[in-house]
Amino acid sequence: DIVMTQSPDSLAVSLGERATFNCKSSQSLLYSSNNKNYLAWYQQKPGQPPKLLIYWSSVRESGVPDRFSGSGSETDFTLTISSLQAADVAVYFCQQYYTTPFTFGPGTKVDIK
Amino acid sequence: QVQLQQWGAGLLKPSETLSLTCGVNGGSFSSHYWTWMRQPPGKGLEWIGEINIGGSSNYNPSLKSRVTMSLDPSKNQFSLKLTSLTAADTAAYYCTMTPAGSGWFASWGQGTLVTVSS
Repeated sequence: DIVMTQSPDSLAVSLGERATFNCKSSQSLLYSSNNKNYLAWYQQKPGQPPKLLIYWSSVRESGVPDRFSGSGSETDFTLTISSLQAADVAVYFCQQYYTTPFTFGPGTKVDIK
Repeated sequence: QVQLQQWGAGLLKPSETLSLTCGVNGGSFSSHYWTWMRQPPGKGLEWIGEINIGGSSNYNPSLKSRVTMSLDPSKNQFSLKLTSLTAADTAAYYCTMTPAGSGWFASWGQGTLVTVSS
């Protein structure tokens, strides 16, 4: 199985400031035939199911605010919230879909400082 | 926009069988993969497996011996059965939709907390 790790476990950021967190995979998620990274990001608020934010490592899902952006390639990926809002308090998970079984990182919890 | 509504028993005893069903509204039932996920309390997400209308199914090897997924196109529903439950199977279970040709989970059910306890 591809193992996904995330860092940090948690972070606290002031409202309006940038939040950045990382995701690493145990093997490359870049498929050479289409030059796409098979990596998605999700946001989960307490008591709710996860919500898809980004796929193909950097493509925002329809309706997701543009303050969310994804970057990275192969084994190292980053999710950035450019200006943290109160509504962004949540746990963020990365997920690889390069191969089954699809696997998730353990999550990064984001809070307001 | 695909909407998912799931239901099933939430309290089960060890050795019993979990049975959950998910109803699909909107979108094309035949175009996507239908997936089950679970999340133990306070922990991360685990992919259980997927099925599509062509009859193709794919299960997590860690659960494969105990999992059966099925779908009923006439009712726009799909189901999960997980046998021989133990306390380790206690989790929130989610049904999800994977767009054809992708591997991400675009729509989610509301979740069902399944507790396995004697």
